[in-house]
Amino acid sequence: LAKTTQPISMDSYEGQEVNITCSHNNIATNDYITWYQQFPSQGPRFIIQGYKTKVTNEVASLFIPADRKSSTLSLPRVSLSDTAVYYCLVGPPLNRDDKIIFGKGTRLHILP
Amino acid sequence: DGGITQSPKYLFRKEGQNVTLSCEQNLNHDAMYWYRQDPGQGLRLIYYSQIVNDFQKGDIAEGYSVSREKKESFPLTVTSAQKNPTAFYLCASSSNRGYEQYFGPGTRLTVT
Repeated sequence: LAKTTQPISMDSYEGQEVNITCSHNNIATNDYITWYQQFPSQGPRFIIQGYKTKVTNEVASLFIPADRKSSTLSLPRVSLSDTAVYYCLVGPPLNRDDKIIFGKGTRLHILP
Repeated sequence: DGGITQSPKYLFRKEGQNVTLSCEQNLNHDAMYWYRQDPGQGLRLIYYSQIVNDFQKGDIAEGYSVSREKKESFPLTVTSAQKNPTAFYLCASSSNRGYEQYFGPGTRLTVT
């Protein structure tokens, strides 16, 4: 599974757009990029997943450059409730021998 | 409603006692996982199971045991051999055709 590197923490203000970048230099051809959000004392929640270019849903956008060695999670107009830990994961769709590895994630703190 | 349930939410045990954490899902998912999370840390994989009656060790399986007798259930036993059992335990499940994991609410275990 590809190793990922993301900032340990970030601060931003309400109403701003927040971009969290994840580096994954060793990404493999069949790897997908997935982001999860975790609030304190809760399980992580799937946010978005992509393979290349741009993916957008009602919560976030995911930008993936052509070389796929990095990706950026974009959260538009954040609010205080977006304060959470965000995990970037890279790997193939699950099969019998695969497992998902969560790193320490990025602690996002939204200020009023 | 479909989802994953974990019980209990809080669990207290004396050192030297085995304790079993429950995890049930009604999502018809083939794969199930157990993670451990310590304060300020990411998730670490304990055990995972891709199919009934089969399971694999994760990164920190020592001192833990699991069973997968039914597709819906994946209980985790924390044995007295686990040196530092106090932690937040998360169960997850996923379809073997995808990459998104669905997490339960977690069980916070305190051993004194």
